[in-house]
This record gives sequence, structure tokens and C-alpha cells, in this order.
Amino acid sequence: SYELTQPLSVSVALGQTARITCGGNNIGSKNVHWYQQKPGQAPVLVIYRDSNRPSGIPERFSGSNSGNTATLTISRAQAGDEADYYCQVWDSSTAVFGTGTKVTVL
Amino acid sequence: EVQLVESGGGLVQPGGSLRLSCAASGFTFSSYWMSWVRQAPGKGLEWVANIKQDGSEKYYVDSVKGRFTISRDNAKNSLYLQMNSLRAEDTAVYYCARDYTPYDAFDIWGQGTMVTVSS
Repeated sequence: SYELTQPLSVSVALGQTARITCGGNNIGSKNVHWYQQKPGQAPVLVIYRDSNRPSGIPERFSGSNSGNTATLTISRAQAGDEADYYCQVWDSSTAVFGTGTKVTVL
Repeated sequence: EVQLVESGGGLVQPGGSLRLSCAASGFTFSSYWMSWVRQAPGKGLEWVANIKQDGSEKYYVDSVKGRFTISRDNAKNSLYLQMNSLRAEDTAVYYCARDYTPYDAFDIWGQGTMVTVSS
């Protein structure tokens, strides 16, 4: 089965840039989506199809995907960006989520 | 307002059954694939199942095949998950989610309903 690997945690200083990676075999050939989940809340879509932002998501959130790694970038990090982030793809009619990354804003 | 509201969660003994419901509003429910996604306490997200607009196609994660059944009633704008032969490892918050387009992102999520399997 297809697997997506994310770092357990990422720390970023307030106002700086955080990069969260999502590794998978030839993930560059798939559409990658990213979700933000704050404690006690449902996930929220922040990036779809590698690099597209849904309406209402700040431009500070961006994404890229190539080779075996997809990346979610959070620019000018704010305290409100502290959350768990998950990548997701489809493989053989099955949705697969990454292991999740906890982002801490220092 | 586009909204998904789950219900039906609770405490059930191992081997028991439970039926979850998800009420959709604010969009044309019959036009979208729908999914169930779960999250065990302190763990990550796990996709459970999805269903095509007319119910003619359904897919499941291996761990629930033969035990869970996804269904929908477009006249009632509702999605369901019938869960049988429940195990402790099925304990989780269960979310319903809208598939933006088939095999695409989950753009709308409900608030979730907690299922606890314990004796």
C-alpha cells in the first residue's frame, strides 16, 4: 500500500518560514492536498492539487510537488498557524493521509 | 451555509453495531462523492470509505471491509456508515467529508462524532 511520510514536528520562529515535507514514491505524479487541524477541531483544507489555495486561505500558505517530495510552505508564520498538518493523495481508489506534522510557532 | 453534521456516535461493546449519520446542507448533496474519515485518539487521519453520487460505487479501507457499509439517501441529503463487528481499534472520531471532485481533495468536513468501543 502507498505510504506518505512526514516529519513528526517542525518549529518556526514567529514571522519566519516553515516548510513541511511529505515523502512518497513518485509523489510528483499525484495530486497532493494539505489539511490543517487545530486541537479539538475538524481538519481544514489549505492547499489542493499541489499548489492551489481554497478561498479564505491566506497567501502565506503555498505548496509544491516534485519527484518523491511534496512541500507545504508557511511564510511569515503566525501564532494562529500552530496546528497539525496532513498531506493526502489518492492511490488505487483509496485516500491516503500522511503521518502528520505538528507545527510549533516559537 | 455549506455544512455537514454527524450524529450517532457513542459507547458500544466489542462485537456490537452502530450507525452513523451525516446531514448535509447548503449544497447539492447528490452531485458529490462523499467520504468517511476517522481519527483515533491522539493519532492521525485515516480514510474509511467513500461513495459515488448515485451510490453505485463504494470503496473501503482494508481494515473495515466486510464490517462497515457506506450508504446515502440523496432525497434526505444524508450519508450513513453502518458499522458492525466493532473492535477496540475502531475507537475514533468519525468525520464525514465532501470530495471536491472524484479522487480530489476533501473540501468540506463535519465536526465529527466520537465512537468508543469498549466493554
